[in-house]
Amino acid sequence: AQSVTQLGSHVSVSEGALVLLRCNYSSSVPPYLFWYVQYPNQGLQLLLKYTTGATLVKGINGFEAEFKKSETSFHLTKPSAHMSDAAEYFCAVTLSYTGTASKLTFGTGTRLQVTL
Amino acid sequence: DAGVIQSPRHEVTEMGQEVTLRCKPISGHNSLFWYRQTMMRGLELLIYFNNNVPIDDSGMPEDRFSAKMPNASFSTLKIQPSEPRDSAVYFCASSPGLAYTQYFGPGTRLTVL
Repeated sequence: AQSVTQLGSHVSVSEGALVLLRCNYSSSVPPYLFWYVQYPNQGLQLLLKYTTGATLVKGINGFEAEFKKSETSFHLTKPSAHMSDAAEYFCAVTLSYTGTASKLTFGTGTRLQVTL
Repeated sequence: DAGVIQSPRHEVTEMGQEVTLRCKPISGHNSLFWYRQTMMRGLELLIYFNNNVPIDDSGMPEDRFSAKMPNASFSTLKIQPSEPRDSAVYFCASSPGLAYTQYFGPGTRLTVL
């Protein structure tokens, strides 16, 4: 079974500051990892994903995340926050495809607030 | 591509009434997922289908909930009878495969009075 833990349900940063949203996962086999963003009154939108290969993954809107197997982490970062980044962010994990059914398991979400 | 389409976008109904939520997945996607989102419980997977076949419905809260996927381009989630605690935003998502990126629809906001 797989699980995801997002540390901090609310994070507040100043505009222009570094954004760091934490995600740790638990998985019995190599995982696929995702970050989704949800803006108010909208569905979830994929920011980035890690499947195999390069452990530093770049996504949309200047976000990136690094898969660290030794730390079982997949933290999301952005060097400089913008007001438009204010949203809820979800980390998710699924087992790498093994030929059997596998589902995406989401974390509880982190609400990012960006202040002037 | 139009993306995942859900209807209605908003539904207000009275307790005891039947509610049907609809979803059209992205063409060519063979996996479909129904989620429920509330402040208290966050994002919950209710059921998912692969090639129109239900794979896991363990997240369906009780027998009042049912879901069908009669063909590759349409799915429904039905609640009968509805209760106030069913009030939530219901999302449909589709994917080219079970372990791949899921694409979410805009959601249906359900309010049961």
